[in-house]
Amino acid sequence: DADVTQTPRNRITKTGKRIMLECSQTKGHDRMYWYRQDPGLGLQLIYYSFDVKDINKGEISDGYSVSRQAQAKFSLSLESAIPNQTALYFCATSDPGQGAGDEQFFGPGTRLTVL
Amino acid sequence: AQSVAQPEDQVNVAEGNPLTVKCTYSVSGNPYLFWYVQYPNRGLQFLLKYITGDNLVKGSYGFEAEFNKSQTSFHLKKPSALVSDSALYFCAVRGGMYSGGGADGLTFGKGTHLIIQP
Repeated sequence: DADVTQTPRNRITKTGKRIMLECSQTKGHDRMYWYRQDPGLGLQLIYYSFDVKDINKGEISDGYSVSRQAQAKFSLSLESAIPNQTALYFCATSDPGQGAGDEQFFGPGTRLTVL
Repeated sequence: AQSVAQPEDQVNVAEGNPLTVKCTYSVSGNPYLFWYVQYPNRGLQFLLKYITGDNLVKGSYGFEAEFNKSQTSFHLKKPSALVSDSALYFCAVRGGMYSGGGADGLTFGKGTHLIIQP
């Protein structure tokens, strides 16, 4: 979805390096999410944010941190990357006006490889 | 905690035949159920959702899904498959009381590869 963009699209890094993945959206949504996708495991929630002042841990937040710089921007950081963080990372947004039935809109993903 | 099961890693269907991709769920309270599709090298795209009301939900690209509360299922269906339907399909659930799945995010199944053969 062109309304949700992620940078970079691909990144190869080394163990121990700090990495930041960025997500921007033009949908005007308050809610933003970070997921990782591993083959055969579906998507797992890392962090989510209801607004600029609200950050919440997901299922697998260890080793990750996030920053909500503005309504439109939500960054994911790996403070010290390790090989098992090699995965496809997705950012998503949703409109809270629909309550719990809000569908999420996903970015194109960032493929991260940690050597 | 909420969970989703997609029992088939892969489903093969001949073009023109009906297709079904299975999904069962477990959640506290009333479920909010979703289907997403992922094409190669793309993000997930929303197909349809069930919140309340009619058990048969219609969505994008001719897909529909049937909510069955007694069987805790939400199977995705299409009457006539197209080769272009070949993709990875994910079922997802969120509990009505925001239970599980990291409290508010969706809990996804592992995905089912749908392959439509010409």
